[in-house]
Parts: sequence; structure tokens; C-alpha cells
Amino acid sequence: AAGVIQSPRHLIKEKRETATLKCYPIPRHDTVYWYQQGPGQDPQFLISFYEKMQSDKGSIPDRFSAQQFSDYHSELNMSSLELGDSALYFCASSISQGAADTQYFGPGTRLTVL
Amino acid sequence: AQKVTQAQTEISVVEKEDVTLDCVYETRDTTYYLFWYKQPPSGELVFLIRRNSFDEQNEISGRYSWNFQKSTSSFNFTITASQVVDSAVYFCALSPNFGNEKLTFGTGTRLTIIP
Repeated sequence: AAGVIQSPRHLIKEKRETATLKCYPIPRHDTVYWYQQGPGQDPQFLISFYEKMQSDKGSIPDRFSAQQFSDYHSELNMSSLELGDSALYFCASSISQGAADTQYFGPGTRLTVL
Repeated sequence: AQKVTQAQTEISVVEKEDVTLDCVYETRDTTYYLFWYKQPPSGELVFLIRRNSFDEQNEISGRYSWNFQKSTSSFNFTITASQVVDSAVYFCALSPNFGNEKLTFGTGTRLTIIP
């Protein structure tokens, strides 16, 4: 079965650079979520989109922005990168069924900021 | 506010032993969903199970079983006859009973199965 695709899988950036992470949800899934997992920590919710509209926002820095496109893929844009942004970034997708939907996670993008 | 507590930070058991991972949650919602995810050393998050707050029936799936008790706000996970491949970090998570809602994760339990 098709899974959530994330690219790139690994990314190394310098401080103050920008990064773009991409997420391709499971076919027919209409909701995308982004989570950040620091080393040894649990995933923290950043932002979500339903039908291309932002549906919820967590503790996402103002330096980060995201959007969902007409084909339902999503991109997380990160600017002025800081050392503390080094983390595993997960994208998850779900299909809206009117109740809490099961979120299926991609393999993650490991971002290292030097 | 929602909160999930996994008091066991790390557990080690010898292969073939049974092991239970504890999860306690807090929520003001009357309806909600609980989840367990597995994160193996390779890093991905793998969905294991989802239960809603109205369904307290315990569930068994192969070597895995889950015990949901609303009275104690607990959703514990047991692995029977553990195997080395079960070594991973296990996260319990909570979501309100609405669509498109974020997951609140516990801090995870690192399970190591010793051959």
C-alpha cells in the first residue's frame, strides 16, 4: 500500500540558511500534518492543512511557513535556520471521516543545522 | 488541555518475556481517541492501534494486546512473548473526537528486548 512520502530524507544546512521540506500524502488523504521531533523527545505538532486550508497551528516558529497545494502535497518552508531547528520532521496524512482520523506518518526528514 | 504520561522511560526485558507499557492520559473532552505508535531504530513512526473513548473493550492482535480503562484514564499496551524486533520507542497519543485534530504524544517508552 502507498505510504506518505517525504523528501529529502536527510538535509544539512548552515545557520541562517533556508530549507524546504516536501510531503506527499497517501492518495485520497485530504489532511496533512507536520510534526517536529527533537533528539530524545516526542513529536510536537507544528501545523495542519485540510483541503488546502490551514486547519490548526501549534508551536510553529514565525520563521516557518507551510502550505498545501492543489494536488494535496505540502511543503514546510524554514528560514533563518538555527541550531535548535535540528530535528526529525514528520509529515502525516489522514482522510477526514468526521471523527478523529488515524494519522499515518512518513519516514521523516532529518534536518541538521550546522 | 490534553496530556499523556508514559512514566516508564526505558524498559529492558529478556526475549520471550511479556512486557506492559503504561499510558495515562488527561483530557476534558468527553469523547476522544487514543493511539499507540511504534518508532523503531530506523526512525519512522508506525501506527499500531486506535481506540475511541466509548469502546473500552480490550483488544488483542497477535502478540499485542491493549487494556483501556476509562475509570483510571489508562491505555496500557502489552507485548506477549517479546522478540528482538519489538525493540523500539513506543508512543501513546491522544486526540479529541473531531476530524483533523493534532495528536498529543507522551514522552515515549524505550523498549529493549535482550536476546
